[in-house]
Amino acid sequence: QKEVEQNSGPLSVPEGAIASLNCTYSDRGSQSFFWYRQYSGKSPELIMSIYSNGDKEDGRFTAQLNKASQYVSLLIRDSQPSDSATYLCAVKKASGNNRLAFGKGNQVVVIP
Amino acid sequence: EAQVTQNPRYLITVTGKKLTVTCSQNMNHEYMSWYRQDPGLGLRQIYYSMNVEVTDKGDVPEGYKVSRKEKRNFPLILESPSPNQTSLYFCASSPVNQPQHFGDGTRLSIL
Repeated sequence: QKEVEQNSGPLSVPEGAIASLNCTYSDRGSQSFFWYRQYSGKSPELIMSIYSNGDKEDGRFTAQLNKASQYVSLLIRDSQPSDSATYLCAVKKASGNNRLAFGKGNQVVVIP
Repeated sequence: EAQVTQNPRYLITVTGKKLTVTCSQNMNHEYMSWYRQDPGLGLRQIYYSMNVEVTDKGDVPEGYKVSRKEKRNFPLILESPSPNQTSLYFCASSPVNQPQHFGDGTRLSIL
């Protein structure tokens, strides 16, 4: 079983719609979860971190965490063309040392 | 400006010619790490360092070396590069147990 899985293929959403991304993880002891945005040819940029069950909102972004079901999701409301990027889910390993396990990413394309 | 700086940004070289990719951060972060990113495989950790003189292997350390003699610098050394080390490399840093922030990346091609 992969440490972090992001299974959805490329996601195309109309401008103004909600983009929904999901991520599951295998280590039940993990406590810290992150979403990074990566534009083509650029470095990953942290956009959300979440540590407790429930929702965390920051502007148009909402991260949702369910530790019992071992999934974390990201909602992008009012999607803009500038949101077109690959979104990486990262989970801090329970083994410590600040190590992250990354999913392979989901590409989002916002269609004007 | 707080940043993680990698050099060079692009490098084309040949098999067996030793190379070093430098990484420097100006935020006094304890934690630094190197990743490689390959299509279909995502980001994988090569080495990491919790502080000066403390380094440890990540998930794919074979063929790489690192050192952490100063807090701000964490160079990645390829003693004898091979074509399978052609990749996009990222350095990241953070305070301990805080989210990591990435440098701009180094695109390395080994012929």
